[in-house]
Amino acid sequence: DTAVSQTPKYLVTQMGNDKSIKCEQNLGHDTMYWYKQDSKKFLKIMFSYNNKELIINETVPNRFSPKSPDKAHLNLHINSLELGDSAVYFCASSPLPAGSGNTIYFGEGSWLTVV
Amino acid sequence: SQQGEEDPQALSIQEGENATMNCSYKTSINNLQWYRQNSGRGLVHLILIRSNEREKHSGRLRVTLDTSKKSSSLLITASRAADTASYFCATRHLNAGGTSYGKLTFGQGTILTVHP
Repeated sequence: DTAVSQTPKYLVTQMGNDKSIKCEQNLGHDTMYWYKQDSKKFLKIMFSYNNKELIINETVPNRFSPKSPDKAHLNLHINSLELGDSAVYFCASSPLPAGSGNTIYFGEGSWLTVV
Repeated sequence: SQQGEEDPQALSIQEGENATMNCSYKTSINNLQWYRQNSGRGLVHLILIRSNEREKHSGRLRVTLDTSKKSSSLLITASRAADTASYFCATRHLNAGGTSYGKLTFGQGTILTVHP
């Protein structure tokens, strides 16, 4: 019954590798997000998609590429991983992207460690 | 930066006591939300307060908003050990045209520890 599910939960990989994190939501929401939480707990938005269209693209290295095959899925692919990419990545969704009253539903996070 | 700032960064109290956490922000907002994050888990929405509201209640939670001071507070009354978590405020800001951005900006959070 998980509303926003992301896999894998833990990922340890070497520098230079390419990896993907997958996310799916079964809430019927139109908007999905990727957030990054660093070691100091700051949570920053990376991308947002609405009905498969990119609507928010923060200053994120080109090595990060989101892909939304349909509005229920938003995957994150990371090329040439660097040590600084180590963080917790959260997928999230909301009914609509803008306007008041939209709360965000988060997945459980994917712990990425680059060694 | 539009990012909200929570204060204190960490709070340690005994069960039964009240816990108050504060959030300050810099630019006009459409609404402010509080989220909770248990260790090793995702964030869970607690309560939303709109810019034209001053106070809101939900169970043991009370949220206030002072737009003139650009600040909000979250009060948890009669705290329990299970309330131990990080608490984040998140703001949805208005752009120059007075409409709302599509993104929610989070602060660094307050780590609350409630001792049994």
